[in-house]
Amino acid sequence: GAVVSQHPSRVICKSGTSVKIECRSLDFQATTMFWYRQFPKQSLMLMATSNEGSKATYEQGVEKDKFLINHASLTLSTLTVTSAHPEDSSFYICSASSPQGQGYNEQFFGPGTRLTVL
Amino acid sequence: DAKTTQPTSMDCAEGRAANLPCNHSTISGNEYVYWYRQIHSQGPQYIIHGLKNNETNEMASLIITEDRKSSTLILPHATLRDTAVYYCIVAYNQGGKLIFGQGTELSVKP
Repeated sequence: GAVVSQHPSRVICKSGTSVKIECRSLDFQATTMFWYRQFPKQSLMLMATSNEGSKATYEQGVEKDKFLINHASLTLSTLTVTSAHPEDSSFYICSASSPQGQGYNEQFFGPGTRLTVL
Repeated sequence: DAKTTQPTSMDCAEGRAANLPCNHSTISGNEYVYWYRQIHSQGPQYIIHGLKNNETNEMASLIITEDRKSSTLILPHATLRDTAVYYCIVAYNQGGKLIFGQGTELSVKP
């Protein structure tokens, strides 16, 4: 299957700083990328959907000014957590999708980024 | 909210078939059933998907009832590496968002 990478895999930062997480599709062009957040022992929660070259669509309850998403190319999307606080500590996972020949979208997930805010 | 219901946890003996059920009684006509799994601290992995017909690939089989209100994922010969949380998701095809429920935590035991 297609490969999606995330960088960094783990980051620790001080409260009030901003953190950028990159998501790259390595061997295919991703028309759509998704960002999820997962707290310990909980399921993945979809944060936002981004299409290349357009503004991201955020899920209800997700602050767009706090979680900045940029999808500048068909292989790269970034999530910036601005003014991070300890409650933002979580596992952030991206996925990328591209229409397949059979007409369905299969999402390929990155390995996740563990964010810890002190 | 997730549109599926799954048992919280299941155990399976190594080498035996693991049958994971999922209820999706409110599925609409053009929504697909997707199965993903997540091994601890990793990103989810696609397993299989289907619309109305049973499907099989190298990883698993998907059995969908005729009324499409439930399905079963079958791992024919479970191994210890199949220990993971398995998510059954109902979603539209093109551009469909995946809304994850709580999933089933499958433990494969020696």
